[in-house]
Amino acid sequence: QVNLVQSGAEVKKPGASVKVSCKTSGYSFTGDDINWVRQAPGQGLEWMGWMNPATGDSGYGQKFQGRVTLTRDTAISTAYMELRSLRFEDTAIYYCARGVAAAGTDWFDPWGQGTLVTVSS
Amino acid sequence: SSVLTQPPSLSVAPGQTATITCEGPNIGSKSVHWYQQKPGQAPILVVSADSDRPSGIPERLSGSKSGNTATLTISRVEAGDEADFHCQVWDRSSDHPIFGGGTKLTVL
Repeated sequence: QVNLVQSGAEVKKPGASVKVSCKTSGYSFTGDDINWVRQAPGQGLEWMGWMNPATGDSGYGQKFQGRVTLTRDTAISTAYMELRSLRFEDTAIYYCARGVAAAGTDWFDPWGQGTLVTVSS
Repeated sequence: SSVLTQPPSLSVAPGQTATITCEGPNIGSKSVHWYQQKPGQAPILVVSADSDRPSGIPERLSGSKSGNTATLTISRVEAGDEADFHCQVWDRSSDHPIFGGGTKLTVL
């Protein structure tokens, strides 16, 4: 069974950084991309970026360029998302999700349980 | 990049059929995926590539597409179907995914 388990909730001050982990199991970690998606309170889903665990290559949404870094540790099948210079509007639930590529398209399955990041002074 | 438009909300009585739409330019040339997100939970995939249902997803949920509109249909709606539903495509021109704004399904 494919499973993604994320680290616990965080409370950070504006200007700080946060690093969220996503531990995977049940499949070959280096076989599929890991994507990160966030959801602000009462809002929709917002894609942040992808990472190829085999190569370490990554790509980011324009909104997050320069402020987010996606990394991984293949020895423990874990992906990480670090977001810097936090603002109040970064308060959201952050999800990791396995990217499934097939037939010229990509979807997300499964998702981690989510990590609530609260930015508060 | 494209924008995907979903109705913000939909209310359906138990036993009836819910039809959730996702509209966007050129959606006819893209594969559409659907996620169900129950309150306080992470999204789960319910339809991939327009109409494929992952194992474990009830046959009552089905996906289709016509022109620039994709549709998620939920037959014989139950109280447990109450959730937010999100559509998603992969935009090849920007090489990133795009999500619709989500539709909140309320079972009366």
